Amino acid sequence: NAGVTQTPKFRILKIGQSMTLQCTQDMNHNYMYWYRQDPGMGLKLIYYSVGAGITDKGEVPNGYNVSRSTTEDFPLRLELAAPSQTSVYFCASNPELGTSGSPLYEQYFGPGTRLTVT
Amino acid sequence: AQSVTQPDIHITVSEGASLELRCNYSYGATPYLFWYVQSPGQGLQLLLKYFSGDTLVQGIKGFEAEFKRSQSSFNLRKPSVHWSDAAEYFCAVGYTGFQKLVFGTGTRLLVSP
Repeated sequence: NAGVTQTPKFRILKIGQSMTLQCTQDMNHNYMYWYRQDPGMGLKLIYYSVGAGITDKGEVPNGYNVSRSTTEDFPLRLELAAPSQTSVYFCASNPELGTSGSPLYEQYFGPGTRLTVT
Repeated sequence: AQSVTQPDIHITVSEGASLELRCNYSYGATPYLFWYVQSPGQGLQLLLKYFSGDTLVQGIKGFEAEFKRSQSSFNLRKPSVHWSDAAEYFCAVGYTGFQKLVFGTGTRLLVSP
């Protein structure tokens, strides 16, 4: 059980380039999330998904796109990279309900992708 | 809107001393509360969580936190800090029927010898 995995770990992009950040979880979780972390700003939610085929915007979705074709994968796409997208990106997941049937909001995080846009 | 406040950006504690990190939230009903730790270059790891019941919760690595409804607080404590506790700590709140978390801006803990 690998949990949440993210690739790549590091990436440098030039302005205007595009890339996809990969996220995979093997815990059969319905809910998945993408956050960005900037110094002193905590984590900001970019997009989230409540199941395959269903995605929605978070606080800071501009400049990003997502898709969710399977339960396991939730890739994040940057189409035209800008310096403002320099950040550390985290993927997270959680099941819909806890083992006792109560709501469970504990999220499991991947190790992150450090992206620099120059 | 729901929010989480961690008023201390940085805290320095001597090794062996006690620690308290503050967290305040704004939310009308009983929230679901979490503390996460992030070591340098790593992802976030859950330290402890509060859903209901006993307001003093125990977590991993010797941490505990107390939920105080009257103060809308969920402060993290440790009686004796170790050098390996140096990290960034995030408080987060989830709310009923809405599977998203709101994170505080974090507190960076430095441990001096």
